[in-house]
Amino acid sequence: DVKVTQSSRYLVKRTGEKVFLECVQDMDHENMFWYRQDPGLGLRLIYFSYDVKMKEKGDIPEGYSVSREKKERFSLILESASTNQTSMYLCASSLSLTMGAFFGQGTRLTVV
Amino acid sequence: DQQVKQNSPSLSVQEGRISILNCDYTNSMFDYFLWYKKYPAEGPTFLISISSIKDKNEDGRFTVFLNKSAKHLSLHIVPSQPGDSAVYFCAASATGANNLFFGTGTRLTVIP
Repeated sequence: DVKVTQSSRYLVKRTGEKVFLECVQDMDHENMFWYRQDPGLGLRLIYFSYDVKMKEKGDIPEGYSVSREKKERFSLILESASTNQTSMYLCASSLSLTMGAFFGQGTRLTVV
Repeated sequence: DQQVKQNSPSLSVQEGRISILNCDYTNSMFDYFLWYKKYPAEGPTFLISISSIKDKNEDGRFTVFLNKSAKHLSLHIVPSQPGDSAVYFCAASATGANNLFFGTGTRLTVIP
């Protein structure tokens, strides 16, 4: 079974802090994604990566950056956390989108 | 602009009856459609998919119907069970794209 693991289930950070969210997948998938989920807005794509060191902006990249130094790991970085970044963050990976994307368990981030 | 829309935020159904969840899309380039199920505090899990060359795909209690001319798809769950209570997301992708576009989700409650 594909496993996508996010480093934390719950995080509380202060405004202005730099925040790292880590995601690791064990199926050698090329594609990895970071989404955020907010009530009434569904899942919105922040960034995705289709190969090591390759990244593309999604729908809401402002305030975020990403890093993919190894195929299995995709990190989301909040350069200076703000309260409007309080959300559920979901990492996903896929070999091919027609085969579906596999999601991690999510990280509930609260910025105070 | 939301390219995948789920206009019903919630749906309640009696156990044993049929649940029908609807999804509309605007982008005619979409050729693959997926449904995901999400429990609270967990990541979405892939449920069922359909290619645009088909108009129906069935997997056990779950059937997805696609009407390309109307740009509409639906998920039927028969019979509905209390364990089906979750948020259901519709997603779409286009050949060659590296992104899944998600709807805003429909919360299904199956009443025992």
